[in-house]
Amino acid sequence: SQTIHQWPATLVQPVGSPLSLECTVEGTSNPNLYWYRQAAGRGLQLLFYSVGIGQISSEVPQNLSASRPQDRQFILSSKKLLLSDSGFYLCAWSRGITDTQYFGPGTRLTVL
Amino acid sequence: DAKTTQPPSMDCAEGRAANLPCNHSTISGNEYVYWYRQIHSQGPQYIIHGLKNNETNEMASLIITEDRKSSTLILPHATLRDTAVYYCIVTSGANSKLTFGKGITLSVRP
Repeated sequence: SQTIHQWPATLVQPVGSPLSLECTVEGTSNPNLYWYRQAAGRGLQLLFYSVGIGQISSEVPQNLSASRPQDRQFILSSKKLLLSDSGFYLCAWSRGITDTQYFGPGTRLTVL
Repeated sequence: DAKTTQPPSMDCAEGRAANLPCNHSTISGNEYVYWYRQIHSQGPQYIIHGLKNNETNEMASLIITEDRKSSTLILPHATLRDTAVYYCIVTSGANSKLTFGKGITLSVRP
């Protein structure tokens, strides 16, 4: 069966510090991978998705970036965090671009 | 993707069926109805999805009206662990984006 991991589970960072969140998927090959953010009391916002290694599509302009260095690894980064970057970050995977998306456990980021 | 409308909350007695409604009157012919749920501080969990026909799996049943403008998620025997926010989503999947609204908060009472 397939499993998706995210770490860290929680993170508290000062404004202006860098960020690196990692997501890995097991039990499948060539998955589509997604990064979402859920701000407090709001719905999910798609940030990035990837259909393959090195292929990243950005949905909204922001100071975040994503990379996919390996088939089942997806990384969300920032060079300098803003207060508005606080939120619950979720990674998801699907087999195909129109298939069901399955979510990881999430990382709760607080920027102070 | 079409928009969905859900009541903000509902409650249900433990052991009884929970029927969660969703309206999607602008749904297109190629759009699926998906249901996810999110327990506090966890990632959304996929429940079920359907296009036209009713669907059932080990978690729930999905009843879609003939005109496809509304649907109902049924949890046949609700437990306390089913307390969560349930999201009804309509998507063709073509743009890869799942749009989660505010969902419906289901509270299962003992």
